[in-house]
Amino acid sequence: KAGVTQTPRYLIKTRGQQVTLSCSPISGHRSVSWYQQTPGQGLQFLFEYFSETQRNKGNFPGRFSGRQFSNSRSEMNVSTLELGDSALYLCASSFLAVFTDTQYFGPGTRLTVL
Amino acid sequence: AQTVTQSQPEMSVQEAETVTLSCTYDTSESNYYLFWYKQPPSRQMILVIRQEAYKQQNATENRFSVNFQKAAKSFSLKISDSQLGDTAMYFCAFMKHATYSNYQLIWGAGTKLIIKP
Repeated sequence: KAGVTQTPRYLIKTRGQQVTLSCSPISGHRSVSWYQQTPGQGLQFLFEYFSETQRNKGNFPGRFSGRQFSNSRSEMNVSTLELGDSALYLCASSFLAVFTDTQYFGPGTRLTVL
Repeated sequence: AQTVTQSQPEMSVQEAETVTLSCTYDTSESNYYLFWYKQPPSRQMILVIRQEAYKQQNATENRFSVNFQKAAKSFSLKISDSQLGDTAMYFCAFMKHATYSNYQLIWGAGTKLIIKP
């Protein structure tokens, strides 16, 4: 069974631009979570999608948004990029939820904002 | 608000030794979940072990075991017979007892573990 995949793996953008990251979960998994990982703030939860609906949300500004498609693939969008958005963005999938099943992570997308 | 503290930013041990990584958390909840995740260099994060607070028995997974002290709010990870492949960042994470529409993981800052040959 293929693992969680994320595209692109690396991305360089400039301030003010917007970016879309993609995540394909493990086949059959319906829950997709997104995390931001930075040296300063560590790992922070962004949001979680389940059956095309945002089910949980962390404390990030509205510039961070996401969606999930009927095949469970998910996208994350960041608008009006700031230097502080430079981070590794991790996607993770589970069958139902983190507390019921094992959560599997993708390799991440490294976003650099110049 | 819940917080998770990993007091050891970096540790190194010799191969085959036993190492213990510490994690403490702060919560007023009585039911919750605790996790240890491993992030090897340039590789994907994987779940090492999970513990449900209502279970008094410490969780184990092969060479990995935890010492869960609920009263002390401590959740340490012991790695026995350490191997070179155990070199990684280890993250402790907390999640309060959740419903499907109300949960999120709170992460510690991580401990960088280096296993030396």
